[in-house]
Amino acid sequence: NAGVTQTPKFQVLKTGQSMTLQCAQDMNHEYMSWYRQDPGMGLRLIHYSVGAGITDQGEVPNGYNVSRSTTEDFPLRLLSAAPSQTSVYFCASSYLGGSDTEAFFGQGTRLTVV
Amino acid sequence: GENVEQHPSTLSVQEGDSAVIKCTYSDSASNYFPWYKQELGKGPQLIIDIRSNVGEKKDQRIAVTLNKTAKHFSLHITETQPEDSAVYFCAARKGGSEKLVFGKGTKLTVNP
Repeated sequence: NAGVTQTPKFQVLKTGQSMTLQCAQDMNHEYMSWYRQDPGMGLRLIHYSVGAGITDQGEVPNGYNVSRSTTEDFPLRLLSAAPSQTSVYFCASSYLGGSDTEAFFGQGTRLTVV
Repeated sequence: GENVEQHPSTLSVQEGDSAVIKCTYSDSASNYFPWYKQELGKGPQLIIDIRSNVGEKKDQRIAVTLNKTAKHFSLHITETQPEDSAVYFCAARKGGSEKLVFGKGTKLTVNP
């Protein structure tokens, strides 16, 4: 059981470049989300989705786009990378509602923008 | 919106001692409070959670307590071991929402 898989694990971008961080889960979870983790800032929500075709903004959405065409995949796009987007990015998934709502996290993508 | 404060930001204990990490939340509508452990280079992993209809929950050496009136909850680790060294995050979630709001984390170091 793979759980939540993020690729790539490491990436270096130049300012202005674009890229997509991939996230896939095989647990049939409806809810998926992206967080960024910066030193001393904890985990901050970027975007989230409650199902295929439905996405919404979190706390820090500027500079990022998402889409959810399937239940399994939730890619995060940086259209024009900036040094302020240097961070570690985590994707998470969980079931919607009910009592079994543990959030499972991927291993993270460490992104450096130079 | 919800705001979660976590203290301390760093905690160093001797092996075998207890460790306590405290969090406060602002939104009285929050009803789910998980704790995550993040080891170096890995993603956070759930270690214990508590819902607002329960005051305390234990799982072997770890326990979580919740005071709804004061809007704070705490993680207690007894008989700490070096493998408990990690960053711990508390979080809160409102009823009817799937969004987790995290504290800023506590780096726990257990010295042999």
